[in-house]
Amino acid sequence: NAGVTQTPKFQVLKTGQSMTLQCAQDMNHNSMYWYRQDPGMGLRLIYYSASEGTTDKGEVPNGYNVSRLNKREFSLRLESAAPSQTSVYFCASSEFPPGQVLAGVSDYEQYFGPGTRLTVT
Amino acid sequence: TQLLEQSPQFLSIQEGENLTVYCNSSSVFSSLQWYRQEPGEGPVLLVTVVTGGEVKKLKRLTFQFGDARKDSSLHITAAQPGDTGLYLCAGAPRAKNTGFQKLVFGTGTRLLVSP
Repeated sequence: NAGVTQTPKFQVLKTGQSMTLQCAQDMNHNSMYWYRQDPGMGLRLIYYSASEGTTDKGEVPNGYNVSRLNKREFSLRLESAAPSQTSVYFCASSEFPPGQVLAGVSDYEQYFGPGTRLTVT
Repeated sequence: TQLLEQSPQFLSIQEGENLTVYCNSSSVFSSLQWYRQEPGEGPVLLVTVVTGGEVKKLKRLTFQFGDARKDSSLHITAAQPGDTGLYLCAGAPRAKNTGFQKLVFGTGTRLLVSP
């Protein structure tokens, strides 16, 4: 199993350009997430999909759109890139969404992809 | 927005030393996780703690969840160069129902263990 894969690994864009970051998981997970990681700020949730067919905004959704193409794939689109979107982007998946009680114990694990390093000039 | 603050932000130690990393919040969490992230890779889960006062051990790593479920610590005994990385805590906020609760990540502690 490849786990969570992301493409591309690196990307440089000019301000105003658009692009789509691709993510796929082969673990038959229900939930998928997009995070951005910036120095000193930890991981911040951009969008998530609790299950196939649903998507919701996270903490920092402005300037982004997502598509849950099927159970395996969850893409992130930047319509008009800005320098403030320079970051490392991580896709993650989990079998169950956070907070779902399983056999009396709330437990889940998020599996992360290797990340996409995006620079917007 | 619920915040998880980690301390210290950066730690540089020699091989064989012990260290403790702290993760603190004013909010209560239903569970708390610790991840390790190596350069150029995504975070990898180390442990999940769910009960106040819970202690879990993973070889030389000891994780503790505070009694009030607002804080956690990670203690490494006899650190090795292979422990080098970014350590992140992440909490699932407590909610009244079992609806979706998004993970809140801490700001991270960057650990460097020199031979």
